[in-house]
Amino acid sequence: DAGVIQSPRHEVTEMGQEVTLRCKPISGHDYLFWYRQTMMRGLELLIYFNNNVPIDDSGMPEDRFSAKMPNASFSTLKIQPSEPRDSAVYFCASSSATAYGYTFGSGTRLTVV
Amino acid sequence: KNEVEQSPQNLTAQEGEFITINCSYSVGISALHWLQQHPGGGIVSLFMLSSGKKKHGRLIATINIQEKHSSLHITASHPRDSAVYICAVGQGAQKLVFGQGTRLTINP
Repeated sequence: DAGVIQSPRHEVTEMGQEVTLRCKPISGHDYLFWYRQTMMRGLELLIYFNNNVPIDDSGMPEDRFSAKMPNASFSTLKIQPSEPRDSAVYFCASSSATAYGYTFGSGTRLTVV
Repeated sequence: KNEVEQSPQNLTAQEGEFITINCSYSVGISALHWLQQHPGGGIVSLFMLSSGKKKHGRLIATINIQEKHSSLHITASHPRDSAVYICAVGQGAQKLVFGQGTRLTINP
């Protein structure tokens, strides 16, 4: 397996633009997580899914953020409109309830100017 | 008070030294993770522990469930071990709560 795949690796966008981050989890993993990492706050959970269903979105900062998981092999995190304070590294991770494994993607470094 | 506390926050040592990073948590957990992040890099899972001790190469992780404490040890440290080490606790496969990380620098 190629691991958790995120795209793009880097994104620079202007304030007000829509940003879409993508994630492909490891096949067979039934949990998918979106985390955000900043210097000030470290790693924070934004939202997680179990079997494609959102379970906890209490970490989503505000209505500008939305996440979907239309099938077991794909998830998106969308920010609309983006703001400079959204600049961070966004990590996707997946795990399995039945087997060892908690795997992070390489992250998307988002810069909003 | 954070649910997961790590110490020290920063650690500098010479190549070859024995390294210990500590993690204390205040919530009930079913597993504790040690993660490694190199500068500008992704996050790699080193260990997932629910009891006892695990060893992988020069890395050893221990956990004491009663005391809610875990340690990560590195033997014969090397400059390539320089990274941020993050302790995280969770319930099974579900969401993790992270410590603030320990920045380790190993000088040649």
